[in-house]
Amino acid sequence: DAKTTQPPSMDCAEGRAANLPCNHSTISGNEYVYWYRQIHSQGPQYIIHGLKNNETNEMASLIITEDRKSSTLILPHATLRDTAVYYCIVRGAIIQGAQKLVFGQGTRLTINP
Amino acid sequence: GAVVSQHPSRVICKSGTSVKIECRSLDFQATTMFWYRQFPKKSLMLMATSNEGSKATYEQGVEKDKFLINHASLTLSTLTVTSAHPEDSSFYICSARQDGNYGYTFGSGTRLTVV
Repeated sequence: DAKTTQPPSMDCAEGRAANLPCNHSTISGNEYVYWYRQIHSQGPQYIIHGLKNNETNEMASLIITEDRKSSTLILPHATLRDTAVYYCIVRGAIIQGAQKLVFGQGTRLTINP
Repeated sequence: GAVVSQHPSRVICKSGTSVKIECRSLDFQATTMFWYRQFPKKSLMLMATSNEGSKATYEQGVEKDKFLINHASLTLSTLTVTSAHPEDSSFYICSARQDGNYGYTFGSGTRLTVV
C-alpha cells in the first residue's frame, strides 16, 4: 500500500472549518484513501473514504486531487469534540477477504475554543 | 452500524501471568480481525491478522508464542498475552470489517498494565 505523509499537528478555532491535508504521491489506480480519527484512549473511528471522486457524509468531506496524489479531509464546523489524531490511510480495494490497515503517524488536531 | 466489542477495557496483571483479551463483532460476521498495540503518544502498530478457523498471520517482529491469537468463530477473536512482562504494558486494539467495501470498525481498546 502507498505511504502517506501528514503534518504532525494542526490547530483550528471552534466553529471554523478544519482542513487536514494528506500526501500520497505513490498511490496506485486501485487504492482507496481512508480517513480515521482516534480520540484519546479510544479505538479509531471511521470517518470517510474515497477512490477518486470527492465524497461527503455526515461527518466530513473528502477532496481528492485530480492526480490523486493528495487529499484533504474537511470538517466543516469543528467542535471541541473533534480534537483527535486523524489518520490518512491508503489501501487497495477489498476483493476477497480483508486487507490490513497500516497506520502512519497521523495529524494531531486541536480545536481551540 | 457495525459494532465491535472489546473486553476488558482495563486489566492489571502480575508479571509472569497470562491475560486474555476478547474482541467480538456484535452485529456482523467477521472472517478476519486485526490486532494492534499502541504505546503512549505513538501510532497503532499492527500485530497480527486473525483468520477464522485458521492460524493468525503475524507481522514481522511480533512473537507468535507470546501473543496467542484464536479466532474460533465468525464473531470472536481472542488475544492472549502469555507470561506478561512490564514491557508488554500497552493499549491493545482489535478491528474487524463488515463485508462490502466499508471502513473497518475498531474496538474501544484494552489498557494492559503489567506490574
